[in-house]
Amino acid sequence: DVVMTQSPLSLPVTLGQPASISCRSSQSLAHSDGNTYLNWFQQRPGQSPRRLIYKVSNRDSGVPDRFSGSGSGTDFTLKISRVEAEDVGIYYCMQATHWPPLTFGPGTKVEIE
Amino acid sequence: QVQLVQSGAEVKNPGASVKVSCKASGYTFTAYFLHWVRQAPGQGLEWMGRINPDSGGTDYAQKFQGRVTITRDTSITTAYMELNSLRSDDTAVYYCVVDSQGRDWGQGTLVTVSS
Repeated sequence: DVVMTQSPLSLPVTLGQPASISCRSSQSLAHSDGNTYLNWFQQRPGQSPRRLIYKVSNRDSGVPDRFSGSGSGTDFTLKISRVEAEDVGIYYCMQATHWPPLTFGPGTKVEIE
Repeated sequence: QVQLVQSGAEVKNPGASVKVSCKASGYTFTAYFLHWVRQAPGQGLEWMGRINPDSGGTDYAQKFQGRVTITRDTSITTAYMELNSLRSDDTAVYYCVVDSQGRDWGQGTLVTVSS
């Protein structure tokens, strides 16, 4: 199974400042079809996860453009250009290249300082 | 607009079974795999298995092999996840998820296993 790791696991941020979360996979997530199936999810307190980014860098409909994804191979990053109060929650990366099983990172808790 | 509406919270005794439903609407039910993911209290996300609603074919996480069964009824666009031999560490919120990229999630069903 592909193991996903994230850092940091806790991220205190100041409103209006940038934030960055790293996600690494135990093997390359490049698929033979040319895509890389690395997705990012946000889970606000008490809510279901919501997908923000799919295939590394594609924002889902309705996701603010302050969220961006990048990376390739085994190293990926989610960036928030200017953190807002509504961004508080836990962020997960997930790989869907080598499945079953789908595997998730442990999550990064973003909170306001 | 995709909607996944799950059944309500359950409280079960250890050793019992639970069956959670997921009613899908707003898309072609047979066009996308439907997955089940669970989240224990204060913990991360754990994939349990998936069903191809068109063929009925399934895959399960090794951890749950022999204990979980995912089925569907295409006539009512509903998928089901049944977990047997429940233990206290099965206490979790169970989510159904449309497509293998995690596009849409149900609201979650809390299953509490306690004597």
